[in-house]
Amino acid sequence: KAGVTQTPRYLIKTRGQQVTLSCSPISGHRSVSWYQQTPGQGLQFLFEYFSETQRNKGNFPGRFSGRQFSNSRSEMNVSTLELGDSALYLCASSLEADVRGYTFGSGTRLTVV
Amino acid sequence: KQEVTQIPAALSVPEGENLVLNCSFTDSAIYNLQWFRQDPGKGLTSLLLIQSSQREQTSGRLNASLDKSSGRSTLYIAASQPGDSATYLCAVKDSNYQLIWGAGTKLIIKP
Repeated sequence: KAGVTQTPRYLIKTRGQQVTLSCSPISGHRSVSWYQQTPGQGLQFLFEYFSETQRNKGNFPGRFSGRQFSNSRSEMNVSTLELGDSALYLCASSLEADVRGYTFGSGTRLTVV
Repeated sequence: KQEVTQIPAALSVPEGENLVLNCSFTDSAIYNLQWFRQDPGKGLTSLLLIQSSQREQTSGRLNASLDKSSGRSTLYIAASQPGDSATYLCAVKDSNYQLIWGAGTKLIIKP
C-alpha cells in the first residue's frame, strides 16, 4: 500500500516567485493537512482539507493557499516567496484522524534565495 | 492558547537503557495526543495515538501514557537500541481541531 507522496522533494526558488507543492494521500484517505517545519518555529499547522473543502486553517498569511481535488490529491501554493518561507513542508493524510491519527509524507524541502 | 512543551530537548543514553520522554500541554481540552519520530531530513512516523478518554497505549517496546488533568504525557522506551536514535515529537489535537506540536526531544542511543 503506497504511502503519502509529496512532490517535489527539493525545490529552490527566488524571492518574489511563487511555488506549488503536491501531496497524494494514501488511497481512500479523504483528509489532507499541511504543516511547515522550520528550525526556529518548529512544526506549525497550515491547513486541512476534507472532501475538497478547507476544514481548518492555521495562522499563516494569505500568501499560503491550498486546494484539494476530487481524487483527494492536494496542492499547496505560496505566492510572493520570502526568505522566511524556506522550510520543510509536510503533508499528512488520514482516514479517521481521531481514531487512527495521521500518516505523513517525506516532505518537500523549499529553499528561497 | 494551547502550548506543548517537551523536556528534555536532547537526551543521550547508552544502549539497553530504559528511558522516558516527557510532553506537557497547557489546556486539558484535547481530543487526542500523538507521538511521532522524525529521522534527519525525513518526514514523521506515527508511533502511538492516545484518545482523550484513554490512559495509555502500547506498541512493542513503546508505551505512552496520558494524564489529561495534569496536562502530561510520557513516552517510555524499553531496552533502547541505536536504531531508536531520532527526534521524538508529541502533538495534541486541540479544541480547534488543530495539531499543536512540541519542539521535540532529540534522542541519541550510544552503542
